[in-house]
Amino acid sequence: EAQVTQNPRYLITVTGKKLTVTCSQNMNHEYMSWYRQDPGLGLRQIYYSMNVEVTDKGDVPEGYKVSRKEKRNFPLILESPSPNQTSLYFCASSLSSGVDEQFFGPGTRLTVL
Amino acid sequence: GQSLEQPSEVTAVEGAIVQINCTYQTSGFYGLSWYQQHDGGAPTFLSYNGLDGLEETGRFSSFLSRSDSYGYLLLQELQMKDSASYFCAVAGGSYIPTFGRGTSLIVHP
Repeated sequence: EAQVTQNPRYLITVTGKKLTVTCSQNMNHEYMSWYRQDPGLGLRQIYYSMNVEVTDKGDVPEGYKVSRKEKRNFPLILESPSPNQTSLYFCASSLSSGVDEQFFGPGTRLTVL
Repeated sequence: GQSLEQPSEVTAVEGAIVQINCTYQTSGFYGLSWYQQHDGGAPTFLSYNGLDGLEETGRFSSFLSRSDSYGYLLLQELQMKDSASYFCAVAGGSYIPTFGRGTSLIVHP
């Protein structure tokens, strides 16, 4: 089944404790991205990747890191999480760019205390 | 930069037709997309317009006018399961998609 998977689905952590949210797709898509969704603000892009070893900032990259060492994986790293990073996070992939239909993962609900 | 405007909430009754509008400002334009998101779920793709005109997919249609920087999603024969949030998204010159803040559609029996 074609899908985007994320782990964990739910995470409660404390300020400053490094964490990684994994994202994997099995559709051989070149383009992958991370979004955060906050009430009333819609989906805001954090980082995106056009291909392996190619990543770039989206609209709200502060406090986040990403890497794209393999085509299928695109982890999101929070080196020192803060309470304002409490949010719902979605990973997405598409064939070749952000213009194409994006397939979203199930979401990760993160709470930073 | 890019910005999109869509209504925050729309209500309608089962069986009716509803239109959700989206106006945008962008430098460069590659297309307007629509996504549906049920509470607690992931956004799912509904439609894409790269050129002016109407695209129809079953009960859902999407329209684009590039000269007016305007598009809409039309939902016909509304069903209770259509209650969800609907997002328009624009891909501009940088190929980075920008999403609107979403329209909450409430369908009443």
